[in-house]
Amino acid sequence: GQQLNQSPQSMFIQEGEDVSMNCTSSSIFNTWLWYKQDPGEGPVLLIALYKAGELTSNGRLTAQFGITRKDSFLNISASIPSDVGIYFCAGHRAGGTSYGKLTFGQGTILTVHP
Amino acid sequence: KAGVTQTPRYLIKTRGQQVTLSCSPISGHRSVSWYQQTPGQGLQFLFEYFSETQRNKGNFPGRFSGRQFSNSRSEMNVSTLELGDSALYLCASSFRQPSYEQYFGPGTRLTVT
Repeated sequence: GQQLNQSPQSMFIQEGEDVSMNCTSSSIFNTWLWYKQDPGEGPVLLIALYKAGELTSNGRLTAQFGITRKDSFLNISASIPSDVGIYFCAGHRAGGTSYGKLTFGQGTILTVHP
Repeated sequence: KAGVTQTPRYLIKTRGQQVTLSCSPISGHRSVSWYQQTPGQGLQFLFEYFSETQRNKGNFPGRFSGRQFSNSRSEMNVSTLELGDSALYLCASSFRQPSYEQYFGPGTRLTVT
């Protein structure tokens, strides 16, 4: 089952507002990835994080790998209507045999009102 | 560079039948992972193939199987379909080493009636 706790589950915001969502786990992760999924499509990779404390930007998106390696957050600045979709955090757990296995959060449904 | 392709995009099957889904990874990617996505369970890992060998497996029954060919293309098979197998099946490819980044295809929407 799911091992990542993603919040909030949904957000309704006005165009131009900033958005913040986060992901936490009881386990240590080696990698944090953030994806966006549009209806009927597969997830699209937005940002990948590899080191604790790492802060990475991709246009209006900024994500950080938590110092404890058990959390990550994603910020979207100045939201626009095309930001609508479901955002997922995902990661590779440290150790074990989970090399090729991504664990996903439950997703955050983002709605942007013009 | 072309993305991950999956065929077919949509499929309707009857309970008890079997189904085979196909995935072609991004050129040069040698790892292919499969995921099941449902509203209730979210995205769940099925298995990963690298160099034609299954390297990792999720918690799914033996009715779910897969394979990878020498050109890195992969297929997954579900036998004796159940209503609960209705889902979006997603394939993702990566270089695997050293990159952990996985790139997803559009998915195959399977409906079991």
